[in-house]
Amino acid sequence: GAGVSQSPSNKVTEKGKDVELRCDPISGHTALYWYRQRLGQGLEFLIYFQGNSAPDKSGLPSDRFSAERTGESVSTLTIQRTQQEDSAVYLCASSPGLAETGELFFGEGSRLTVL
Amino acid sequence: AQSVSQHNHHVILSEAASLELGCNYSYGGTVNLFWYVQYPGQHLQLLLKYFSGDPLVKGIKGFEAEFIKSKFSFNLRKPSVQWSDTAEYFCAVRLQGGKLIFGQGTELSVKP
Repeated sequence: GAGVSQSPSNKVTEKGKDVELRCDPISGHTALYWYRQRLGQGLEFLIYFQGNSAPDKSGLPSDRFSAERTGESVSTLTIQRTQQEDSAVYLCASSPGLAETGELFFGEGSRLTVL
Repeated sequence: AQSVSQHNHHVILSEAASLELGCNYSYGGTVNLFWYVQYPGQHLQLLLKYFSGDPLVKGIKGFEAEFIKSKFSFNLRKPSVQWSDTAEYFCAVRLQGGKLIFGQGTELSVKP
């Protein structure tokens, strides 16, 4: 597509439910990043993918968080048993590749609210 | 641990004033450096980047930044701000291996 697409744009869920957030990167971009942005705070690194593998998962806050990528394209971020502190905007970005010196292209984000 | 620090949380300026936003990082290896901007209601977009060569880099809309390796800094500057520069500015550092970490952001408000 023309840009990075994220869905849903807005998600309201009850505490304890599982949620799945989706990211469609720019076609041909091999690197994909996930960040979390809580209200009034900066971007918190979660995980990145080079192709379908994730060299660095150090940012995932707990084992309730997981992410996968298939076909060097779509990525999903899954949060199990959501908690109120998971409320945030989840941003996805893609880049032509880790070896490239290119910029990250960001999606609009998925705003998650846990009641 | 690797980190990026932005010195100012919120900066308020009048139009035509000069701007300097501070950014420091803690990492001993080779880095690529970026400034991103987020205008109200829009997604993050690249303002400028540094990879190698001249430590003074110029970006869009009259912004520039200087990489001072000895100070682990990459401060953003603009000689004369405009109301349209009102936005949130994020400094980012890409580490060896590809991990990209961001600072907390600086909100810039320019009064007309």
